[in-house]
Amino acid sequence: DVKVTQSSRYLVKRTGEKVFLECVQDMDHENMFWYRQDPGLGLRLIYFSYDVKMKEKGDIPEGYSVSREKKERFSLILESASTNQTSMYLCASSSRQAQYFGPGTRLTVT
Amino acid sequence: AQSVTQLGSHVSVSEGALVLLRCNYSSSVPPYLFWYVQYPNQGLQLLLKYTSAATLVKGINGFEAEFKKSETSFHLTKPSAHMSDAAEYFCAVSPNQAGTALIFGKGTTLSVSS
Repeated sequence: DVKVTQSSRYLVKRTGEKVFLECVQDMDHENMFWYRQDPGLGLRLIYFSYDVKMKEKGDIPEGYSVSREKKERFSLILESASTNQTSMYLCASSSRQAQYFGPGTRLTVT
Repeated sequence: AQSVTQLGSHVSVSEGALVLLRCNYSSSVPPYLFWYVQYPNQGLQLLLKYTSAATLVKGINGFEAEFKKSETSFHLTKPSAHMSDAAEYFCAVSPNQAGTALIFGKGTTLSVSS
């Protein structure tokens, strides 16, 4: 089975803090993705990566950055967290057949 | 540009009734189409996918979907709803191949009553 793990299920941070969300997959997939999920808006793509050290902006990259130093790990960084970044964050990795998702991190910024 | 529209943000059915969740897409090229399910406080789980093989696709948990090019639709059905089917369902499209970034619909919450 494909396994995608995320470092935290729930996270509470203060405005202005730097936040790291970690994602690890164990299937040697080249493609990895970060989405944000908000009620009534579905999932929106923040960043994605097709290879180590490679990154591409998705639909809503503002306020976020990413890092992919190793194939299995894809990190999402909030440089200075704001309250409008309170959301559910979902990581995914994909083969040529489908995307597989982690359990999500529910981030609250106060 | 590709897009996905899920008709109805909430659908309610009785246990044992037919489940029909609607999804329409727009794509300038033959698409790859997916349905995912999300249970409360969990990630998304792949239900089924269409990748240009058979137009009727069978998935897990008794769900199936039919690709209709003329109607640009990929509706999800299940003949008999079970209480455990209560969840949020997302339709998604990928324009290139199954492994690239997906475009998601806004989701449909399915409620099942006894």
